[in-house]
Amino acid sequence: ETGVTQTPRHLVMGMTNKKSLKCEQHLGHNAMYWYKQSAKKPLELMFVYSLEERVENNSVPSRFSPECPNSSHLFLHLHTLQPEDSALYLCASSRQGSDTQYFGPGTRLTVL
Amino acid sequence: GENVEQHPSTLSVQEGDSAVIKCTYSDSASNYFPWYKQELGKRPQLIIDIRSNVGEKKDQRIAVTLNKTAKHFSLHITETQPEDSAVYFCAAGHTYNQGGKLIFGQGTELSVKP
Repeated sequence: ETGVTQTPRHLVMGMTNKKSLKCEQHLGHNAMYWYKQSAKKPLELMFVYSLEERVENNSVPSRFSPECPNSSHLFLHLHTLQPEDSALYLCASSRQGSDTQYFGPGTRLTVL
Repeated sequence: GENVEQHPSTLSVQEGDSAVIKCTYSDSASNYFPWYKQELGKRPQLIIDIRSNVGEKKDQRIAVTLNKTAKHFSLHITETQPEDSAVYFCAAGHTYNQGGKLIFGQGTELSVKP
């Protein structure tokens, strides 16, 4: 499937590193989402962007910084992460005002 | 706060049997209830969804029922096959002008034994 893509698929980083996750959607959607999926936990909504504006920020630590330069691209900038931030980070998209979300394949992040 | 409870956390059935997964939600404003299937190492895939204006929806071997009064909804899979083995997530959400907000359940790991 190529509707929602994410890069990289795997990332290992140290606690002092700075890295970015990228999401791109080819579905003509204009709302995009970041989720965190940890083992034994439900998917946790982190950020919602609609028409490139952040409309939801679910008490996420400032070491996670999202960016949405246009309706097709979404980034998650990472800096000074903790080992407990290791998880699968999933991006999703939908049409504005629609509730049906489509997920990307995720980035498996490991923080050493 | 908003919460979705999903049960059971694991479910093992024999091929050909039925499987039922149940979810309850807390936010009475929720009006959209999707179910996602996530195979190992893959993305969550939407398999069926239901909106609050209907009580039941069916798509081949999969059906979902909704009880708004009790705030619970269920996924029913009939004639299960080994390829149905995966983790299933329910979610409850609502639409607002900017997009949709989904709250997910904890997931059910379904194992279908041949």
